[in-house]
Amino acid sequence: GAVVSQHPSWVICKSGTSVKIECRSLDFQATTMFWYRQFPKQSLMLMATSNEGSKATYEQGVEKDKFLINHASLTLSTLTVTSAHPEDSSFYICSANTGSYGYTFGSGTRLTVV
Amino acid sequence: GENVEQHPSTLSVQEGDSAVIKCTYSDSASNYFPWYKQELGKRPQLIIDIRSNVGEKKDQRIAVTLNKTAKHFSLHITETQPEDSAVYFCAASKAGDYKLSFGAGTTVTVRA
Repeated sequence: GAVVSQHPSWVICKSGTSVKIECRSLDFQATTMFWYRQFPKQSLMLMATSNEGSKATYEQGVEKDKFLINHASLTLSTLTVTSAHPEDSSFYICSANTGSYGYTFGSGTRLTVV
Repeated sequence: GENVEQHPSTLSVQEGDSAVIKCTYSDSASNYFPWYKQELGKRPQLIIDIRSNVGEKKDQRIAVTLNKTAKHFSLHITETQPEDSAVYFCAASKAGDYKLSFGAGTTVTVRA
């Protein structure tokens, strides 16, 4: 089946630094990748939708200059949290659209900003 | 955009009893309704889904019902087992953007 590999699984960074999270589709081409953020004991909130070769579409309230999404190839989408602050600490997870109503989730990245 | 509401937020059941989680959605164009099980720190796992042209779907102990007119859908788990303890999320999406909008989640605890 379709597999999305997400790295790193966890990362601790200092406030003010940037962190890059990668999601790779291993055995299929991911035209569309969704990026979610999940705070403890809360739901998955869609941050943005990225399509290969075009600019990401951000949900209302999500700062596009802070959360940079790149989808330069059909197998790799990245999320960079720039100038991270403690309030950005969260569980970030990607989900590739594998065709119509097919979704494959990455394993998630636990980001802690200290 | 789509708004998905989910109830209850927590549910405690005795092992062997049934559990029911209900969700409502706002966008009448939504036509795909999956249910996910998520364990702490893990990715959501699809447990069952239903499309708008079907009213009910069953897979062993798990079933989902959909009422398009009322815009609500429900998850039914029968003969609950301790391993059913987890957080369950409903979601909705529609053709075109295929974005998944998630409910707030239900923490299910199955008491032995």
